[in-house]
Amino acid sequence: GAVVSQHPSWVICKSGTSVKIECRSLDFQATTMFWYRQFPKQSLMLMATSNEGSKATYEQGVEKDKFLINHASLTLSTLTVTSAHPEDSSFYICSARTEGGINQPQHFGDGTRLSIL
Amino acid sequence: AQKVTQAQTEISVVEKEDVTLDCVYETRDTTYYLFWYKQPPSGELVFLIRRNSFDEQNEISGRYSWNFQKSTSSFNFTITASQVVDSAVYFCALTPYGAAGNKLTFGGGTRVLVKP
Repeated sequence: GAVVSQHPSWVICKSGTSVKIECRSLDFQATTMFWYRQFPKQSLMLMATSNEGSKATYEQGVEKDKFLINHASLTLSTLTVTSAHPEDSSFYICSARTEGGINQPQHFGDGTRLSIL
Repeated sequence: AQKVTQAQTEISVVEKEDVTLDCVYETRDTTYYLFWYKQPPSGELVFLIRRNSFDEQNEISGRYSWNFQKSTSSFNFTITASQVVDSAVYFCALTPYGAAGNKLTFGGGTRVLVKP
């Protein structure tokens, strides 16, 4: 149980393109999902918290107009990197918290490797 | 502010050796959760353990064991009789207990390389 699926797993695109990444909870409902970013050989940094039916909460220093988050249903959150540039190349990982309260552990997707040429 | 420090960036061992990963944390919260995650080369994060701050019992799960010392703010992880499949990056993480329990603060990670 508690499977989180991310799509696509790998994307390469040209500079200036917008890229959408999907995060789905396959066997549970997730009112809260999280988006992390990981540069090579570095740790995970929380970008934003996505709440179903409301606006996402962004961490300090994360551009909300650059990284658009939509959490339209209890099983799907999307992250759109708008007008992507090479410095946006990174590994993006989402996670979802299972039901049962705010202290339930987060379960992570397999991540999306984004390469901007 | 919360902080998690994993001082060891990389550890290399030969198969069957034991390896201990250090994790030291800082938090102003009196109650909190600590986690360990494994990230194999494929990239996904695998949940290993969650420990709450008011339970200082050490835990063993197969070849994995965890030593939580609240007095020294440490939550160390030992792999006994390491195997090649244990090669991965291991992250220690912290989150407050309660209404602010959303945010996971990760340590920098320790890369473990187990050689045959």
